[in-house]
Amino acid sequence: AQKITQTQPGMFVQEKEAVTLDCTYDTSDQSYGLFWYKQPSSGEMIFLIYQGSYDEQNATEGRYSLNFQKARKSANLVISASQLGDSAMYFCAMRERNSGNTPLVFGKGTRLSVIA
Amino acid sequence: DAGVTQSPTHLIKTRGQHVTLRCSPISGHKSVSWYQQVLGQGPQFIFQYYEKEERGRGNFPDRFSARQFPNYSSELNVNALLLGDSALYLCASSLGWGQGNQPQHFGDGTRLSIL
Repeated sequence: AQKITQTQPGMFVQEKEAVTLDCTYDTSDQSYGLFWYKQPSSGEMIFLIYQGSYDEQNATEGRYSLNFQKARKSANLVISASQLGDSAMYFCAMRERNSGNTPLVFGKGTRLSVIA
Repeated sequence: DAGVTQSPTHLIKTRGQHVTLRCSPISGHKSVSWYQQVLGQGPQFIFQYYEKEERGRGNFPDRFSARQFPNYSSELNVNALLLGDSALYLCASSLGWGQGNQPQHFGDGTRLSIL
């Protein structure tokens, strides 16, 4: 069974607008961590934001925020004031048991294109 | 500070050959993980090393092996290459062990093509 589901293969957004990238996850663990990474065409995976399952507040990092809805098992990434440089693949990932000794499990990604 | 560095950047091999990919973690990071990313998919976990010991292995055949050196750099070896091994191989490092909120920091990857 897929643990991370990203249902949007591709998204378009106008420059300076906000965009939401969807991510749902599946786990029976109570303790887990959720991550978002950005992958430009160069290939490097760039860490954007982290949300722990016990964190009460939604995570924010600059223009990135994570809309965490635990009951729905969703962890959507919101990018505000989109920039042309935001065009890339975006991956949602989960680490179960929220411990460093379990690997990240990634979704298939969403390709975001920012239009001038 | 230098990020995670991987070499080579690109590699072309033929079926049946062997390949060695190299990774240097961020200075001070002791944990290294390897991931395989085939076209159109997210990365898949291959190995994790911490303090030179294997701490995790993904669902990959025994043709895949790895090791971590005293300076925390790492090598991924793949024997008897198959066409399906064509992928971007990503190395990631993290500071320690057991802290789940620590992100893994990735290198640019090695793009391996099998002819």
